[in-house]
Amino acid sequence: EAGVAQSPRYKIIEKRQSVAFWCNPISGHATLYWYQQILGQGPKLLIQFQNNGVVDDSQLPKDRFSAERLKGVDSTLKIQPAKLEDSAVYLCASSPRPLQVRSYEQYFGPGTRLTVT
Amino acid sequence: AQSVAQPEDQVNVAEGNPLTVKCTYSVSGNPYLFWYVQYPNRGLQFLLKYITGDNLVKGSYGFEAEFNKSQTSFHLKKPSALVSDSALYFCAVRDIGATDSWGKLQFGAGTQVVVTP
Repeated sequence: EAGVAQSPRYKIIEKRQSVAFWCNPISGHATLYWYQQILGQGPKLLIQFQNNGVVDDSQLPKDRFSAERLKGVDSTLKIQPAKLEDSAVYLCASSPRPLQVRSYEQYFGPGTRLTVT
Repeated sequence: AQSVAQPEDQVNVAEGNPLTVKCTYSVSGNPYLFWYVQYPNRGLQFLLKYITGDNLVKGSYGFEAEFNKSQTSFHLKKPSALVSDSALYFCAVRDIGATDSWGKLQFGAGTQVVVTP
């Protein structure tokens, strides 16, 4: 089974520029997550989708971050405009949706390392 | 609110010796507990989880973890460490008692394991 795909793997931009990350989850996985992992910290959930609907975006800085999941499959995370503190690894993960979704592990992609200069 | 603590930034162990990575948690209800491992420039990989049942959980690559409700701990263990176990390890918790049905996963800050030959 193919894993979670993400692109690009690395991105360097200047502050105030915009950037977009793409994620393709494991086939058939209804739940998709975007995490931000700052160096030296654990991943922090930014947004969670169930199919193409948002179920949790409480930690997403909505003034500059946006995300969508078209047709309940691929997802795009955008930052506009970027700040220096956005430098981090952005991880996408997916999970199947059984009745007890909270008991299931998440499958992570390789991440996109963003450097904002 | 749920939280996870990994008290050691780094654990050093000689190859062949037992490995323990500590994790304590705080939730309002009962927890679902997870361990993930992250190798350089790669996403997180699932190792094992505790949902219910036997307090000793066995996972991938010879790892196991023991759930201790009275001490609110979920330490990761391996009887004989390998150099290839050198990586960053994350403990994560979901609060079963959370009011939302999706259950946000809270990660610890991570513990770097260094296994020397």
